[in-house]
Amino acid sequence: AQSVTQLGSHVSVSEGALVLLRCNYSSSVPPYLFWYVQYPNQGLQLLLKYTTGATLVKGINGFEAEFKKSETSFHLTKPSAHMSDAAEYFCAVTPYSSASKIIFGSGTRLSIRP
Amino acid sequence: KAGVTQTPRYLIKTRGQQVTLSCSPISGHRSVSWYQQTPGQGLQFLFEYFSETQRNKGNFPGRFSGRQFSNSRSEMNVSTLELGDSALYLCASISEGTEAFFGQGTRLTVV
Repeated sequence: AQSVTQLGSHVSVSEGALVLLRCNYSSSVPPYLFWYVQYPNQGLQLLLKYTTGATLVKGINGFEAEFKKSETSFHLTKPSAHMSDAAEYFCAVTPYSSASKIIFGSGTRLSIRP
Repeated sequence: KAGVTQTPRYLIKTRGQQVTLSCSPISGHRSVSWYQQTPGQGLQFLFEYFSETQRNKGNFPGRFSGRQFSNSRSEMNVSTLELGDSALYLCASISEGTEAFFGQGTRLTVV
């Protein structure tokens, strides 16, 4: 069975500091991995995805993530945090080679300190 | 192109009633998935429809059902509402299998 674990339900960083949101996954098949962001009272927006190929994936808003098979990790990073990055972030995996059924982590709320 | 449209955005129902939520996917997308989001359980997969057929189903009771029409629009229905059904219900429109585009959701409150 597939699962996702996000370490830290709440992360707080200063504006301009490095953002690191941790995600580990479990999958019996080669996974498709995603990071989504959710702003208050909104749906989910895809930040980036890993399907195959290059393990360092760049997404929108300056975010990137690296797929590390040996560590079963897919951590999300951003070099310099902006106030507008404050939101809930979800790591997700799909057990199929499609996005039709996505298994989400519990989410990490990112706060940015001025 | 237009995004995923979910209606209504907000809904208040009484216990025991039934409710129908609607989702219009992105034009050309034939697959739609539904998710329930609650503070306690997080995001949980409800079901997926592809070309009017349910292809996957999550672990929810039979009170939760759905359907998809020939124009790919989808509805989900919850019968005999319970307080615990209060949640944000999200619809995803699936693109070529590898990307899900989410609507803004329908916030259902059961009182």
